[in-house]
Amino acid sequence: DAMVIQNPRYQVTQFGKPVTLSCSQTLNHNVMYWYQQKSSQAPKLLFHYYDKDFNNEADTPDNFQSRRPNTSFCFLDIRSPGLGDAAMYLCATSREGQAEGYTFGSGTRLTVV
Amino acid sequence: QKEVEQNSGPLSVPEGAIASLNCTYSDRGSQSFFWYRQYSGKSPELIMSIYSNGDKEDGRFTAQLNKASQYVSLLIRDSQPSDSATYLCAVLGSSASKIIFGSGTRLSIRP
Repeated sequence: DAMVIQNPRYQVTQFGKPVTLSCSQTLNHNVMYWYQQKSSQAPKLLFHYYDKDFNNEADTPDNFQSRRPNTSFCFLDIRSPGLGDAAMYLCATSREGQAEGYTFGSGTRLTVV
Repeated sequence: QKEVEQNSGPLSVPEGAIASLNCTYSDRGSQSFFWYRQYSGKSPELIMSIYSNGDKEDGRFTAQLNKASQYVSLLIRDSQPSDSATYLCAVLGSSASKIIFGSGTRLSIRP
């Protein structure tokens, strides 16, 4: 089945230690998104790729970076995780135009110790 | 004012009854509207989308849109315990660049 896959499902990292979360998709969607969701809050868009064009949200901290080496893969790098970065990280994809909504991966739960 | 507003709940509904979830949005030019269901610890799952004024039905779910009032709702008929989840309202704004999510309404179906 076509889908969005996130790895790992759970990630524990040390305070200040760089961590990378991955997302892959078999839907051939050209837009990919990274959201951060904290408990009882709305998913917050960090950035998105429209094909290879990177779009950063104005309030996304510099600590968060992203790479999209090809259509299928997208990575979220957190350079120096702080305790406040503990959250669920959601990858989503959509076709151009977004009228059909997003398809989400299963998410990565990040814990910072 | 938040761009997409929902009552956080929890909304408690007896099994078999109709659950009614509401959402308002601030961007009058918004184009597309979505309801996502999110179980605890899981990612959001798209359950309904609506694009024009009126009602759209899919099984036990009915989405209602009123663009003049900037209001969108979700009705769940014959509520089941498996419907207990957080329901996120999401809106594609006039810029069409991204979908904005509400913070969700937590729904609890009591047996």
